[in-house]
Amino acid sequence: AQTVTQSQPEMSVQEAETVTLSCTYDTSESDYYLFWYKQPPSRQMILVIRQEAYKQQNATENRFSVNFQKAAKSFSLKISDSQLGDAAMYFCAYRSPGGATNKLIFGTGTLLAVQP
Amino acid sequence: DTGVSQNPRHKITKRGQNVTFRCDPISEHNRLYWYRQTLGQGPEFLTYFQNEAQLEKSRLLSDRFSAERPKGSFSTLEIQRTEQGDSAMYLCASSLTGTPGETQYFGPGTRLLVL
Repeated sequence: AQTVTQSQPEMSVQEAETVTLSCTYDTSESDYYLFWYKQPPSRQMILVIRQEAYKQQNATENRFSVNFQKAAKSFSLKISDSQLGDAAMYFCAYRSPGGATNKLIFGTGTLLAVQP
Repeated sequence: DTGVSQNPRHKITKRGQNVTFRCDPISEHNRLYWYRQTLGQGPEFLTYFQNEAQLEKSRLLSDRFSAERPKGSFSTLEIQRTEQGDSAMYLCASSLTGTPGETQYFGPGTRLLVL
């Protein structure tokens, strides 16, 4: 069974600085999808970024980028030029390719605080 | 394009009572998912539908839980004889097959407190 591990329960960053959130996963599949979701306090979860395992190029979305290391089964999220609105719980998630299951498997999350 | 909506947003009930939650997915999305999230944890998968067919159920979904999506649009999740351990946030998500990565879009959740 696939598992997702986020080893940093909490992180803190100064406004305008850069922070990296870690995520590792375990799978025997060669093709899969990885996601980072953001869950602000009392607000709904929104997608930050998505990575397809077959793509060697790391995904980027404005200030958000990933470092996808397939062999190491590592999928870290880098937030550049941090803003107060980035403060939230961040979840890393894994999904098998379509077929047997479409469920997302989540890590336990990293709570990011942004200091002004 | 409205997002995923869930009702009610909050529910307080007494142990032993039945509760029902509703999820309205993004209108063209054919897949709908239910997850449960307890404090300090990531969401855990409960079940999912493709159109009106329930295609997968987690072992977490005990006999007291039942979900339906009768016309392939909205879905309901019912918990019978609630227990204190059922207290959690219940999240609904939807997706559209054939889209890149088939990203799941989440609703705001229903927070259940069982007294």
